[in-house]
Amino acid sequence: ENVLTQSPGTLALSPGARATLSCRASQSVSGRYLAWYQQKPGQAPRLLIYGASSRATGIPDRFSGSGSGTDFTLTISRLEPEDFAVYYCQQYGSLPRTFGQGTKVEIK
Amino acid sequence: EVQLVESGGGLVQPGGSLRLSCAASGFTFRNSWMTWVRQAPGKGLEWVANINQYEGEKYFLDSVKGRFTISRDNAKNSLYLQMNSLRAEDTAVYYCATDTRGVFDYWGQGSLVTVSS
Repeated sequence: ENVLTQSPGTLALSPGARATLSCRASQSVSGRYLAWYQQKPGQAPRLLIYGASSRATGIPDRFSGSGSGTDFTLTISRLEPEDFAVYYCQQYGSLPRTFGQGTKVEIK
Repeated sequence: EVQLVESGGGLVQPGGSLRLSCAASGFTFRNSWMTWVRQAPGKGLEWVANINQYEGEKYFLDSVKGRFTISRDNAKNSLYLQMNSLRAEDTAVYYCATDTRGVFDYWGQGSLVTVSS
């Protein structure tokens, strides 16, 4: 299975700051089939990015994704109060579908 | 508006069975792959199983193969997860989600399954 490792585990930043989250795969992710999800406490995950860099419907343009092969990045250009949450990457290039362990973005 | 509503969770003893349901609305269910994802308390997300539009393709996480089955009823716009031989490590919130070529676009709010004696 393709193991995804996210770093850092926790990111403490102030509103307005730039957040850079990393996702590294143990095997190359074919077709850039990498998605990012946001999850807030007590809520279901929400799709942010698919195809490594395409924003899902209704996602603000402060969220962007990049990368290919084994290294992917989610960038939040300027953190808004509602962006403090846990973020997961997920690969869908192979079965089983796998998720990273998550990066928590918290208020500094 | 897409809506997915899970039901059927609860407390079950180790070795027991439970059937989760997911009622779908707001999209053409019969045209959609569907997926189950779970999240153990305080932990990350784990994909469990998925199913194609007509039940011709089904895939499972290795740790649930032979114990869980996935099915659907397109006439009722419903997805199911039958869980047998439950273990403590199956304790989690179970989410159903639409599955667009592996991307989980829309999610339900989840149903908690607790396996404990």
